[in-house]
Amino acid sequence: GENVEQHPSTLSVQEGDSAVIKCTYSDSASNYFPWYKQELGKRPQLIIDIRSNVGEKKDQRIAVTLNKTAKHFSLHITETQPEDSAVYFCAASKSYQLIWGAGTKLIIKP
Amino acid sequence: DTAVSQTPKYLVTQMGNDKSIKCEQNLGHDTMYWYKQDSKKFLKIMFSYNNKELIINETVPNRFSPKSPDKAHLNLHINSLELGDSAVYFCASSPGQGNTGELFFGEGSRLTVL
Repeated sequence: GENVEQHPSTLSVQEGDSAVIKCTYSDSASNYFPWYKQELGKRPQLIIDIRSNVGEKKDQRIAVTLNKTAKHFSLHITETQPEDSAVYFCAASKSYQLIWGAGTKLIIKP
Repeated sequence: DTAVSQTPKYLVTQMGNDKSIKCEQNLGHDTMYWYKQDSKKFLKIMFSYNNKELIINETVPNRFSPKSPDKAHLNLHINSLELGDSAVYFCASSPGQGNTGELFFGEGSRLTVL
């Protein structure tokens, strides 16, 4: 079955710098890759997603890239701000079930 | 208007008790889920219902029983609570299954078993 690995588990960056979180998946048939953000004490919320027919997608300071050959996808956050501090989850799906990564805690240092 | 609402938000109970968590969505979605998030923050799928039909039933003790009276509601009943059941339980809904789009989560129900 599908397996999703997410790295790093914790990422600490200076405010204003960029942050990159990487995920790899095992099932080449997976075709949908969302990223969720969970602030402390809150619910997870979708921030961006990408489908396998697209290599990159951007939304303001957030971008996701997908490399189908290598079976990995990454979340890029530029010009990080204090409100970017949260746990970020990647996931992969080919049909009825989402397979989740273990999460990355992003810490923004002032 | 809250899209996915679950009650109660907090539950503190003794080992061995039975408790229920209720979930309702007003988004008109076909699929609803229960997730467990433990202290390490990992999101573990427990159950998924599509139009009141169970489609995902992960390896969860049979003390956990979901019930979907209609496609807008998915409740979770837990019998004989154990210390290891302490976690945050999230209800979620989506328009379809898995790869069809965004999951909308409820605020979570924090269960503490003493």
